[in-house]
Amino acid sequence: VLTQSPGTLSLSPGERATLSCRAGQSVSSSYIAWYQQTPGQTPRLLIYGASNRATGIPDRFSGSGSGTDFTLTISRLEPEDFAVYYCQHRGGSFGGGTKVEIK
Amino acid sequence: EVQLVESGGGLVQPGGSLRLSCAVSGFTFSTYWMCWVRQAPGKGLEWVASIKQDGSEKYYEDFVEGRFTISRDNAENSLYLQMNSLRAEDTAVYYCTTSKSNALHNWGQGTLVTVSS
Repeated sequence: VLTQSPGTLSLSPGERATLSCRAGQSVSSSYIAWYQQTPGQTPRLLIYGASNRATGIPDRFSGSGSGTDFTLTISRLEPEDFAVYYCQHRGGSFGGGTKVEIK
Repeated sequence: EVQLVESGGGLVQPGGSLRLSCAVSGFTFSTYWMCWVRQAPGKGLEWVASIKQDGSEKYYEDFVEGRFTISRDNAENSLYLQMNSLRAEDTAVYYCTTSKSNALHNWGQGTLVTVSS
């Protein structure tokens, strides 16, 4: 089971966003992926293997973590980054999502 | 360009059946695991099923309970999801995705399944 926190993050453009994904037991970092979904759009892969950016993903997105705790960081929020973010384990179960909204 | 195009969604009564299809192009289909993911209206993402490159291994989320079957035709570059005994809670957009390195790299635009009387 993957638990994401916070449920909602209210920030302003230019601020740093830190999103958490906690696994119920220790998992290999190679099994953690992060996705972004903007309203009305298809989800997009951001990070795989906990820290590898997918093709075409800007370097303001970074992933880290190990064991049970994983983090997605957006260094400086751009207007297009306000969206819902999901973590996923081993191409299967997803976390409940974190909504990043404009403050 | 990688393309995944789902079809087959629609309105079905509880207890009914639907077969979803996903036509792919732009990559070597037979070399990828493939998955179905769904999203109920206003809800989060939910993995449904995965299938190995040659179809020899299939995995399902618990809620499927033997009602859904994932399959593929590598000669036709197509992925399928046969859904039987549909329930209201199966109402969702169903996405076809590629799976590589434990992540879902490419997604279709989705097809809406509505289960209602």
